[in-house]
Formats: sequence, C-alpha cells, structure tokens
Amino acid sequence: DGGITQSPKYLFRKEGQNVTLSCEQNLNHDAMYWYRQDPGQGLRLIYYSQIVNDFQKGDIAEGYSVSREKKESFPLTVTSAQKNPTAFYLCASSRDSLGQPQHFGDGTRLSIL
Amino acid sequence: LAKTTQPISMDSYEGQEVNITCSHNNIATNDYITWYQQFPSQGPRFIIQGYKTKVTNEVASLFIPADRKSSTLSLPRVSLSDTAVYYCLVGPSGTYKYIFGTGTRLKVLA
Repeated sequence: DGGITQSPKYLFRKEGQNVTLSCEQNLNHDAMYWYRQDPGQGLRLIYYSQIVNDFQKGDIAEGYSVSREKKESFPLTVTSAQKNPTAFYLCASSRDSLGQPQHFGDGTRLSIL
Repeated sequence: LAKTTQPISMDSYEGQEVNITCSHNNIATNDYITWYQQFPSQGPRFIIQGYKTKVTNEVASLFIPADRKSSTLSLPRVSLSDTAVYYCLVGPSGTYKYIFGTGTRLKVLA
C-alpha cells in the first residue's frame, strides 16, 4: 500500500537539543509539506517542497529546518532555536499539479523533557 | 490566499444528514475546494474535492454555488464514528500553500 510514514510516533527533546522527525512517502509525489498542530488548533505550515533539492518557508519556519535530497524523504529538524516545540507534527505529500489533495501521515508528537 | 470561515462546532444525531458550510469570499479562479476529516492524534484524511457545482463520492457530497464563494459538505446518515474535526481548504492559488483553519468539530450523538 502506498502512503506516508512518519517516525517516531512520540519524541522527547531535552533543552538545547536538536531533534529530527522523519517523513517518507512511496506515492511518487513531487510535493511534500510539514505542518504543526497545537491542541484544539488547526494546522500551520512550517515548510514545503515542490521538488527535490528545493523547499520554501511556510508561515512558521523559524526554529525549524528541512532538507529534500530524495523525492521520497522530507525530514524536519526542530532546532534549539524553537522555544516552544511541544506540538503534533504532520507531514503530507501531493502530486505536483495545482489543487491536488494532500495525503497525510499519522504524525509525531514532540514533547519537552 | 483565500481564507475560509466555518462554524466552530456542530452537534448531530446518528442517522441524520449533516451539512457543514464553508465561506471563502476571495476564492481565486484556479482554486479548488477540498475537505478533510481529522480524528484525534491522527493526520487529516481527504474526503472530497470540487471546483464547481456538485461532486459526490461514496462518503460525502460537496455543493458549490455558481459564485463559488461558499461550499457545503454533506454527510448522509452520520454515525458515531463520524465524530471528528472537518476542515475546508481553498487553494493553492498558484503556490503550494494551503491554509487550514480551525475546522468544524462535529459531534454525533446516539
């Protein structure tokens, strides 16, 4: 079955530590996205990538970094500069055409120790 | 980028039809309207997408009037398992940026 796999499901970060969230898709989609969701809130876009080796900042990119070295992978690093990283992180992908629906993974819940 | 407005919450009873309306007054010509469903601690799941008039699939219908400034998601005969948050999205208007609002929290009662 094609889909998006996020790992780990739960992640704990110590103060001053960088952590990387994994996102892998086997849907052959060109576009990939990272969102952050806080309790009771909607999704906010962190970064998105339209194609390999290219990515753009979303609405809340500060304190985060990404890479897109392979079509199927779009890891997100939460750096120590992100002062409030506790949230539910969702990765998604879509075909490259405009208006194509996004397919989401089941998320990673990040907490601070 | 087109912004959407939806009711914050709705209650319904099992077996009823539920209609959730979304307002998107500044929708652009090349924007699609897409609806997602999200259960707690899961990623959103695609329900339906449309551009104009009516679209129907096995789980829902989407009604879009001629001016496209609003849309209505219709869920026929809801069950308890339809309790979730429903998001209306409009985009991407020439970019890949989607805007997720806070959604509509639907609670289905027995």
